[in-house]
Amino acid sequence: AQTIHQWPVAEIKAVGSPLSLGCTIKGKSSPNLYWYWQATGGTLQQLFYSITVGQVESVVQLNLSASRPKDDQFILSTEKLLLSHSGFYLCAWSRNNNQAPLFGEGTRLSVL
Amino acid sequence: QQKVQQSPESLTVSEGAMASLNCTFSDGTSNNFRWYRQHSAKGLEVLVSIFSDGEKEEGRFTAHLNRANLHVSLHIREPQPSDSAVYLCAVNSNNRIFFGDGTQLVVKP
Repeated sequence: AQTIHQWPVAEIKAVGSPLSLGCTIKGKSSPNLYWYWQATGGTLQQLFYSITVGQVESVVQLNLSASRPKDDQFILSTEKLLLSHSGFYLCAWSRNNNQAPLFGEGTRLSVL
Repeated sequence: QQKVQQSPESLTVSEGAMASLNCTFSDGTSNNFRWYRQHSAKGLEVLVSIFSDGEKEEGRFTAHLNRANLHVSLHIREPQPSDSAVYLCAVNSNNRIFFGDGTQLVVKP
């Protein structure tokens, strides 16, 4: 069975500090991978998606970047956090564009 | 760009009574619709996917799609208190997934 794991579960960071959030999928090769962001009380927005290693497409510009260094790993990062980066970050995977993405448990980020 | 709107914002039903949630979208060329639910800002659980007009049932969850009316609904049969959550409508459009703002469902015992 496929499993998706996100880390950390929660993070409190200072404005201007760097950030790195991780996501790993086990049990499936060459998955489509996605990053989503949800501001507190806000709408879930797709940030990035990746169909293959080394290839990432940006959907929404939020001064964040994503990378896929390995087939089963998706990293979300920034060198300088903004207050507006606070929220809930979700990683998801799917077999293809037709399958419903399956989500991880998320990372709650508070930027102070 | 696809716009997805859900109604009502919140819904309270009694245990066992049918719960009906609505979702409208702006681009009728999409053919990929899903309903998810989210418990207290946790990961999303997919409930039902529907790709053509008509009805799709997954257990107690039934989705109805009418693309001509730009409408997809979710009906929850015999809801239980454990079904209390935020329900999200998702529309896949040009390799992007657009979510509605969600309906907060409360099921009272």
